[in-house]
Amino acid sequence: GAVVSQHPSRVICKSGTSVKIECRSLDFQATTMFWYRQFPKQSLMLMATSNEGSKATYEQGVEKDKFLINHASLTLSTLTVTSAHPEDSSFYICSASGQGLRKQYFGPGTRLTVT
Amino acid sequence: GESVGLHLPTLSVQEGDNSIINCAYSNSASDYFIWYKQESGKGPQFIIDIRSNMDKRQGQRVTVLLNKTVKHLSLQIAATQPGDSAVYFCAETDNAGNMLTFGGGTRLMVKP
Repeated sequence: GAVVSQHPSRVICKSGTSVKIECRSLDFQATTMFWYRQFPKQSLMLMATSNEGSKATYEQGVEKDKFLINHASLTLSTLTVTSAHPEDSSFYICSASGQGLRKQYFGPGTRLTVT
Repeated sequence: GESVGLHLPTLSVQEGDNSIINCAYSNSASDYFIWYKQESGKGPQFIIDIRSNMDKRQGQRVTVLLNKTVKHLSLQIAATQPGDSAVYFCAETDNAGNMLTFGGGTRLMVKP
């Protein structure tokens, strides 16, 4: 299957700082990338959908100015958590799908801890 | 076990037994379904998928059954192994796009 990587795998940052998480599709062109967050023992919650070269579409309740998403190429999307607070601590997972593909391939996730 | 909201129900099975994980969906327009496996601290992994024009699909040790009449999806794992211990999510999408809607998930615990 297709491979999606995320970097970093875990990050600890201080409250008020910003953190950038990268999501890369390694062996296919990802026309669409998705960002999810997951709290312990809960399901994945879709935050936003991004298509290469266009602005991301955010789900209701997700602040677009706080969670900046950039999908500048067919293999890279980034999520920047700006002015992070402890309540932003979570597991962030990206997924990618290619042209004509219904299946999403998931990255390994990034554990963010804000102190 | 059956996914209900955000609560993660747990299914405990003996190693070697068969496991059945259930999922209910509500969107009658959904026409593509996927089962994912998520191990602790990792991203979801694709297990098997099925389109709405089918009612059964088999993979290696796994079978997905789709009952569109009652909007029910199940994942059967044969001869469950300790490595099958994980959280299992069903996901659905309709033919309008590729956005997945995830079920709440079921935790499978395999007892040796």
